[in-house]
Amino acid sequence: AQSVTQPDIHITVSEGASLELRCNYSYGATPYLFWYVQSPGQGLQLLLKYFSGDTLVQGIKGFEAEFKRSQSSFNLRKPSVHWSDAAEYFCAVGANAGNNRKLIWGLGTSLAVNP
Amino acid sequence: DAGITQSPRHKVTETGTPVTLRCHQTENHRYMYWYRQDPGHGLRLIHYSYGVKDTDKGEVSDGYSVSRSKTEDFLLTLESATSSQTSVYFCAISESAGTAFNYGYTFGSGTRLTVV
Repeated sequence: AQSVTQPDIHITVSEGASLELRCNYSYGATPYLFWYVQSPGQGLQLLLKYFSGDTLVQGIKGFEAEFKRSQSSFNLRKPSVHWSDAAEYFCAVGANAGNNRKLIWGLGTSLAVNP
Repeated sequence: DAGITQSPRHKVTETGTPVTLRCHQTENHRYMYWYRQDPGHGLRLIHYSYGVKDTDKGEVSDGYSVSRSKTEDFLLTLESATSSQTSVYFCAISESAGTAFNYGYTFGSGTRLTVV
């Protein structure tokens, strides 16, 4: 069955520190992978996506993610976290299912940033 | 996102009353989705649409119905609201490109619904 696991429910980092948010997926075919961010009281915003090609993808706000097929992972990274990065982060895998182009979602990782 | 709006943003309603939430897009995207977001459950798909008058159920569709009479509008109706339907509801849109899943979703800002 298709699934997405975000092992860390909550992470706290200090401002300026590096960040890595983990995402593992289970999907039979070539995955379409996404990371979204949700600030408090807001909708979700696409950070980056991977379809094919270079396994290291760059996104907005200084984020990047690396696709590792052998580990079924798509971890999100940022070299230096800013206080404004405090938010909920969601990993998702895209799947074609009949008429539906659906996203399978992880449960999210809540990021807190200490000053 | 300017291309997708949800209304109302907040609503309080009484148990047993019908409620309709509206999602309006200006992007002419084919796919539209309704999700609910609850702590500990992440995002759960309620219904989706793959074209005008073409809709299907998601994983938590009981107690909800949808309609899409034109490309730009996707309505979610709670036929008889219950307290368990207190949630934040998100609409999303997505474009298609042949058979490939090339696009993610664009989300609305959400509707916070409280059923008392």
